[in-house]
Amino acid sequence: DVKVTQSSRYLVKRTGEKVFLECVQDMDHENMFWYRQDPGLGLRLIYFSYDVKMKEKGDIPEGYSVSREKKERFSLILESASTNQTSMYLCASSRTGSTQETQYFGPGTRLLVL
Amino acid sequence: DQQVKQNSPSLSVQEGRISILNCDYTNSMFDYFLWYKKYPAEGPTFLISISSIKDKNEDGRFTVFLNKSAKHLSLHIVPSQPGDSAVYFCAASARRYGGSQGNLIFGKGTKLSVKP
Repeated sequence: DVKVTQSSRYLVKRTGEKVFLECVQDMDHENMFWYRQDPGLGLRLIYFSYDVKMKEKGDIPEGYSVSREKKERFSLILESASTNQTSMYLCASSRTGSTQETQYFGPGTRLLVL
Repeated sequence: DQQVKQNSPSLSVQEGRISILNCDYTNSMFDYFLWYKKYPAEGPTFLISISSIKDKNEDGRFTVFLNKSAKHLSLHIVPSQPGDSAVYFCAASARRYGGSQGNLIFGKGTKLSVKP
């Protein structure tokens, strides 16, 4: 079974703080993704990475950065948290192959920015 | 501009009956479609998928139908059970990089409630 873990289930931070969200997958997947989920907006892609040290912007990268130093780990960084970044953050991973592969999600981190 | 649309935000069904969740897409380059199920405070879990070369895929109580000419897919759950109550997301992808998965484009989700 694929396992994707996220460092925290719940986080409370103050405006202006630097926030790190960590994601680790144990299936040697090449691709990793960060989404946020908000009511009525579904899942929106923030950043993704298809290889170590590679990253690409998704649909809503503003206010976020990412780091992929090791294949199994993909970090999402909020340089200066703002209240509009209060959300559920979901990490996912998938394998690269000749056919499309399913993305597997972690349990999510619910972030509250005060 | 939504490329994947789930026009029903919610659906209520009686236990034992069929649940039909619908999804429409606009991008004709999409060639792979997935359904995910999400419980509150958990990550989405993969449910079933279908490639554009097929028009039906079945897995137990779950069947996905794809109508490419209408750019429409649906998820049928028969019989529906109270444990199926969750938010269901439709997702689609198109090959972007050679040998790599295209990113998934998600719909906004449909909340299914199955009443005992």
